[in-house]
Amino acid sequence: QKEVEQNSGPLSVPEGAIASLNCTYSDRGSQSFFWYRQYSGKSPELIMSIYSNGDKEDGRFTAQLNKASQYVSLLIRDSQPSDSATYLCAWSTGGGNKLTFGTGTQLKVEL
Amino acid sequence: KAGVTQTPRYLIKTRGQQVTLSCSPISGHRSVSWYQQTPGQGLQFLFEYFSETQRNKGNFPGRFSGRQFSNSRSEMNVSTLELGDSALYLCASSSWTGEDEQFFGPGTRLTVL
Repeated sequence: QKEVEQNSGPLSVPEGAIASLNCTYSDRGSQSFFWYRQYSGKSPELIMSIYSNGDKEDGRFTAQLNKASQYVSLLIRDSQPSDSATYLCAWSTGGGNKLTFGTGTQLKVEL
Repeated sequence: KAGVTQTPRYLIKTRGQQVTLSCSPISGHRSVSWYQQTPGQGLQFLFEYFSETQRNKGNFPGRFSGRQFSNSRSEMNVSTLELGDSALYLCASSSWTGEDEQFFGPGTRLTVL
């Protein structure tokens, strides 16, 4: 079983819609969760971090964490063409900064 | 604050050679982690250094090694290069000892011929 599962997509949404990206993980010891955005040919850029159950909002982005269900998601409101990228979820457990990454979901926001 | 810097940005080597990549973290950050990104395997953790000590290590062969200097700058070395080592090598820095947010540099694109 993969440690982190993400739908590779592509996920296509119209401009202005809500994009919903999901990630499930297998390690119940996971404590910290992160969402990164990666444009083609670029390095990953941190969007959100979330450490406790519930929702965390930052501008158009909302991260949701449910540790009981081992599920973390990212909602992007009012999607823009500039949001078109690959979104990577990642998690870490105790003992230092070792991130395990999902395979990424490619998001396409269409005009 | 300046971001994470990595040098060189692009590198072409031949099989059997060795290579050294460099990473300078964000000022004040003491933890440096290295990752390898390939189309087939995605982003995989190589190792992490904190206060000049390797704190975590991923599942890579011993040909991959690293070190950190007292100014937190880090280098990674790959010896006896193989074709499969062609990848984007990413360095990430974070400020604390725990599971803190990591910020990536632009990466070094290594091509092994």
